[in-house]
Amino acid sequence: SQTIHQWPATLVQPVGSPLSLECTVEGTSNPNLYWYRQAAGRGLQLLFYSVGIGQISSEVPQNLSASRPQDRQFILSSKKLLLSDSGFYLCAWTTGNTIYFGEGSWLTVV
Amino acid sequence: GNSVTQMEGPVTLSEEAFLTINCTYTATGYPSLFWYVQYPGEGLQLLLKATKADDKGSNKGFEATYRKETTSFHLEKGSVQVSDSAVYFCALRDSDTDKLIFGTGTRLQVFP
Repeated sequence: SQTIHQWPATLVQPVGSPLSLECTVEGTSNPNLYWYRQAAGRGLQLLFYSVGIGQISSEVPQNLSASRPQDRQFILSSKKLLLSDSGFYLCAWTTGNTIYFGEGSWLTVV
Repeated sequence: GNSVTQMEGPVTLSEEAFLTINCTYTATGYPSLFWYVQYPGEGLQLLLKATKADDKGSNKGFEATYRKETTSFHLEKGSVQVSDSAVYFCALRDSDTDKLIFGTGTRLQVFP
């Protein structure tokens, strides 16, 4: 079966600290992978998407970066977090017209 | 670029009222269209989808028709329930790039 795992589920980090959120997919190969952020009271914003290993498209200028070191692994990172990075981060992948979301990661920057 | 525009919320209705949440899109090519729902404290769930013009997606009493002539995909339900209270997201998937673009979401509040 096809599944997607995302961790950690919750994270409280001080301003200026680094970040690493990881997402892995099982049961498929060469998926399209996405990172979204949902800030409090706001909609879902596409941050990055990837159609293959090492291929990352950034949708908005920001303090974050993404990497895809393996076919089914997608990592969201930051070298120095800002308060405005707080939010709910979702990893997703697609096959055909089916979209699968991870469980999400709540990030609070303090 | 591609974009999705949803009506602003919150939408407040009494139980058994008729629901419409408007969604329009801008896209090149022939995108697939989706409605997602996010219940309080939970992640996003696919509600319904349509992959080509004039298709109607339906699920749990909700319907939306892919209207290419008006570039719309409005969500409707004939009789809402309190349990339908959630945030609803309209989304499109670009046929050329596979990018998924979401609207800002519309909060629905249904009161008994």
